Amino acid sequence: DVKVTQSSRYLVKRTGEKVFLECVQDMDHENMFWYRQDPGLGLRLIYFSYDVKMKEKGDIPEGYSVSREKKERFSLILESASTNQTSMYLCASSRGSLAKNIQYFGAGTRLSVL
Amino acid sequence: SQQGEEDPQALSIQEGENATMNCSYKTSINNLQWYRQNSGRGLVHLILIRSNEREKHSGRLRVTLDTSKKSSSLLITASRAADTASYFCATGGSNYKLTFGKGTLLTVNP
Repeated sequence: DVKVTQSSRYLVKRTGEKVFLECVQDMDHENMFWYRQDPGLGLRLIYFSYDVKMKEKGDIPEGYSVSREKKERFSLILESASTNQTSMYLCASSRGSLAKNIQYFGAGTRLSVL
Repeated sequence: SQQGEEDPQALSIQEGENATMNCSYKTSINNLQWYRQNSGRGLVHLILIRSNEREKHSGRLRVTLDTSKKSSSLLITASRAADTASYFCATGGSNYKLTFGKGTLLTVNP
């Protein structure tokens, strides 16, 4: 089974802190994704990566950056956390196949910025 | 940008009944997928239907796709309390990304 592991289930940070959310997948998937999920807004794509060191902005990249130095690891960075970044963050991975681009999700990190 | 839109937003049924959720989308797709999310957890893939397919089954799940109407439906037969979750449709296009709808919250009462 594919396993996508997010480093923390719950995280509490203060405004202005630099926050790192880590995601690791064990299925040698080419693609990795970061979403945030808010009530009434569904899942919104922040960034995705289709290869090591490659990244592409999603729908809401402002205030975030990402890093993918190794194929299995995709990090989301909040440069200076703000209260409006309080949310559930979901990481996902998928194969590099357009025909079968099923995404496998981690359990999520619920981030609170105080 | 959100493409898939599920309908209804919430659905409450009794155990043993069937549950039907609908999804509409706006642009051409390569495939359409349905995912399930238990409260506070990540999403789990349920089923994928390609744009050239009209119907697909998996256990108690039946998915239909009408590309002329840009719509899909997910039917869960003989529902169980354990089916209580949010269900999302997601459309895949010409790249590796998926665009998710806002979901239908299904409650199955014992």
